[in-house]
Amino acid sequence: ILNVEQSPQSLHVQEGDSTNFTCSFPSSNFYALHWYRWETAKSPEALFVMTLNGDEKKKGRISATLNTKEGYSYLYIKGSQPEDSATYLCALSNSGYALNFGKGTSLLVTP
Amino acid sequence: DGGITQSPKYLFRKEGQNVTLSCEQNLNHDAMYWYRQDPGQGLRLIYYSQIVNDFQKGDIAEGYSVSREKKESFPLTVTSAQKNPTAFYLCASSIVTRAEAFFGQGTRLTVV
Repeated sequence: ILNVEQSPQSLHVQEGDSTNFTCSFPSSNFYALHWYRWETAKSPEALFVMTLNGDEKKKGRISATLNTKEGYSYLYIKGSQPEDSATYLCALSNSGYALNFGKGTSLLVTP
Repeated sequence: DGGITQSPKYLFRKEGQNVTLSCEQNLNHDAMYWYRQDPGQGLRLIYYSQIVNDFQKGDIAEGYSVSREKKESFPLTVTSAQKNPTAFYLCASSIVTRAEAFFGQGTRLTVV
């Protein structure tokens, strides 16, 4: 089992605030790091898949960075909106094995 | 439309009965997975399959069985040996195991 830790467990911010979450993982045996967004009553959807140390990816107001040497990834949301409210899941894969998920960070954005 | 279909959405099972959860995909993906979610827990891997007629146990396979006779289908059977089957079950697929996964809507199983 690949131990994937996410923090914080939950977060409550006001509309317009910027926020970030952390995903920590064992730096050895790394293959790929995934971020998913899971909205209530919907299926989880992929945000980013990152494989290289120093990778930075961006989708609209959401961006992510990856440090494989120290074993962490950050997810940033700039100017949070109520529609950003969801659980954000981090998952790790190594070669030939399925994704191993963290427990997620639950984000609530209030107007 | 391409995607993953899980059925049923809700399922009730009597103690001691086996029950099968359906998962079908038309994305032409080789890899398929079953995860379980309990309150306060992350998604835990039950079984996965990288190719037709092959599958591997995940972290919590005890009390479950799967088959992969067709590329499109990966049914999960929850057997009477599973001591605590009440949970939310998610099926997913990807081109290969390291690639982005696509998820179904889930099945909520309740033992009554």
